Amino acid sequence: QQQVKQSPQSLIVQKGGISIINCAYENTAFDYFPWYQQFPGKGPALLIAIRPDVSEKKEGRFTISFNKSAKQFSLHIMDSQPGDSATYFCAASYSFASGGSYIPTFGRGTSLIVHP
Amino acid sequence: DADVTQTPRNRITKTGKRIMLECSQTKGHDRMYWYRQDPGLGLRLIYYSFDVKDINKGEISDGYSVSRQAQAKFSLSLESAIPNQTALYFCATSDYTSGAYKGTQYFGPGTRLTVL
Repeated sequence: QQQVKQSPQSLIVQKGGISIINCAYENTAFDYFPWYQQFPGKGPALLIAIRPDVSEKKEGRFTISFNKSAKQFSLHIMDSQPGDSATYFCAASYSFASGGSYIPTFGRGTSLIVHP
Repeated sequence: DADVTQTPRNRITKTGKRIMLECSQTKGHDRMYWYRQDPGLGLRLIYYSFDVKDINKGEISDGYSVSRQAQAKFSLSLESAIPNQTALYFCATSDYTSGAYKGTQYFGPGTRLTVL
């Protein structure tokens, strides 16, 4: 059972363009939605995260948009750069207060290539 | 993340062999995890440990075992390796006690395992 569905599996964007990666979740108990960035030969690292009490969070060129009613969230990378080429994972987790353990459920990942 | 180290970084082994992957961390985190990454399947949780005396199975624990030798060390064993265990393996930690979100995962650099 795939609790977090991520699309597309791969994405090619030209330098300066906008990269958009989408995720959908099923468990309404999820209360934390992070995105991880993984460069080749490295482990994933936290990029940006959002809680469901806000609809958008922006950090530099990276923005998370969150739609609680649709149970969807997305990562937007503005002015995409070749250095953004990496695999991106969305994830969702929930706290003990909601019956969870904070352990994230990951999407299957999106391989982003930004051409110069 | 240099605070989470994994050895070996690459390993080629034969079907039926026993192999151990090791993880050490200097972050002082209490929680440690083992994930497996396969193309198109994302990150799947194998085992996790909330402290030295606590070991839990994850989504795909069959064929694997773990040992938490100390707060800083968590090893993953394949008792009898098979080709479909060929994958990229990541160790991760999380900190339950700090002010940061308790579910944030800090990944090691990974071990690429090939079973022939």
